Amino acid sequence: DAKTTQPNSMESNEEEPVHLPCNHSTISGTDYIHWYRQLPSQGPEYVIHGLTSNVNNRMASLAIAEDRKSSTLILHRATLRDAAVYYCILSKETSGSRLTFGEGTQLTVNP
Amino acid sequence: DGGITQSPKYLFRKEGQNVTLSCEQNLNHDAMYWYRQDPGQGLRLIYYSQIVNDFQKGDIAEGYSVSREKKESFPLTVTSAQKNPTAFYLCASSRGGPSGVRSYEQYFGPGTRLTVT
Repeated sequence: DAKTTQPNSMESNEEEPVHLPCNHSTISGTDYIHWYRQLPSQGPEYVIHGLTSNVNNRMASLAIAEDRKSSTLILHRATLRDAAVYYCILSKETSGSRLTFGEGTQLTVNP
Repeated sequence: DGGITQSPKYLFRKEGQNVTLSCEQNLNHDAMYWYRQDPGQGLRLIYYSQIVNDFQKGDIAEGYSVSREKKESFPLTVTSAQKNPTAFYLCASSRGGPSGVRSYEQYFGPGTRLTVT
């Protein structure tokens, strides 16, 4: 299965944009790119997912490189409530909705 | 309100006892999942079920058992064979059904923190 690589931690200031990178150089053509986030002592929360084109929703934007070997989750204006562990996950269409979580990026947002 | 419930939030057991963790969803989802999370680590998949009366082992199924007799329920039993059962257990569900169906987002419950001494 294709793997993802994320930085262990990142810091941002409140009300500034945050760009969370994810490398997935062995991604296959049928792999979807998912992002989830997890606040302390809670279950993960879906953020966004995409296949080839950039995606936007009310929470964030997902920018996918043209060769699909990397992607970036963009939080347009970070708030203190965005402090969480962010997971970048690949899933195959043929495996239904099965996801494999890595260790993610711990995002700290400074006031 | 639709969602996933897990009970209890905290559970304490003595070593050698089996314990069953509850997971119920009213989202009418076909697929359900159980994950385990250890401190400072990501989630690891224990078992998943894509349809009623069927389930598959995940990455760390040893020492665990599940059943899927009803669409809305997917209980997990942590048996005495599980060597390190103390962990945070998370249940999730999604619309995704049998293989070949497009990936759907997973909805997670609040988790059960199990401590075995």
